[in-house]
Amino acid sequence: ETGVTQSPTHLIKTRGQQVTLRCSSQSGHNTVSWYQQALGQGPQFIFQYYREEENGRGNFPPRFSGLQFPNYSSELNVNALELDDSALYLCASSQGQQYGYTFGSGTRLTVV
Amino acid sequence: RKEVEQDPGPFNVPEGATVAFNCTYSNSASQSFFWYRQDCRKEPKLLMSVYSSGNEDGRFTAQLNRASQYISLLIRDSKLSDSATYLCVVNVQASKIIFGSGTRLSIRP
Repeated sequence: ETGVTQSPTHLIKTRGQQVTLRCSSQSGHNTVSWYQQALGQGPQFIFQYYREEENGRGNFPPRFSGLQFPNYSSELNVNALELDDSALYLCASSQGQQYGYTFGSGTRLTVV
Repeated sequence: RKEVEQDPGPFNVPEGATVAFNCTYSNSASQSFFWYRQDCRKEPKLLMSVYSSGNEDGRFTAQLNRASQYISLLIRDSKLSDSATYLCVVNVQASKIIFGSGTRLSIRP
């Protein structure tokens, strides 16, 4: 059984640029959620996708957007990058909220 | 008030000790509750779900108190390998997941 995989593992971008992060969900999982984790903090919920539709969103501005594909993989897009966007971005998949989430190892984004 | 609050610690306890963490949540309609463990520079890993009746997995016991809106995690006979950050997670709505900021636990020999 393949777990959750994320790419790239590390990324450096310049302020104002756009970035796309990718996530392949665990086999059999139809729900994907994305989180931002700053150093020393707990993960902050960005949004969740279920069967290609966004069905939940945290307190992040519209420049954070996403997609989920028919195979349940997902993308997180961030436009107009700011220095404060530097963080670990985690993707997690689930077969239903009562089962908890399996996390990928994350993409560490640095904005300079 | 934060939606999910945890004592950040750190808790520094000797090997073999029993340690307990609490986590409070503000939304009484919250539906699902979990404890995750996160090692330094790693992703969170599901430790256990928390059920209304309480549940146990080896040395770990999780409890939910809906009336007081908190969940707890008890670790008995702690091992060096239990050193990590423990995150409580609450589904405050069906599709909104909130993590606590984590409690750091350090077990000393």
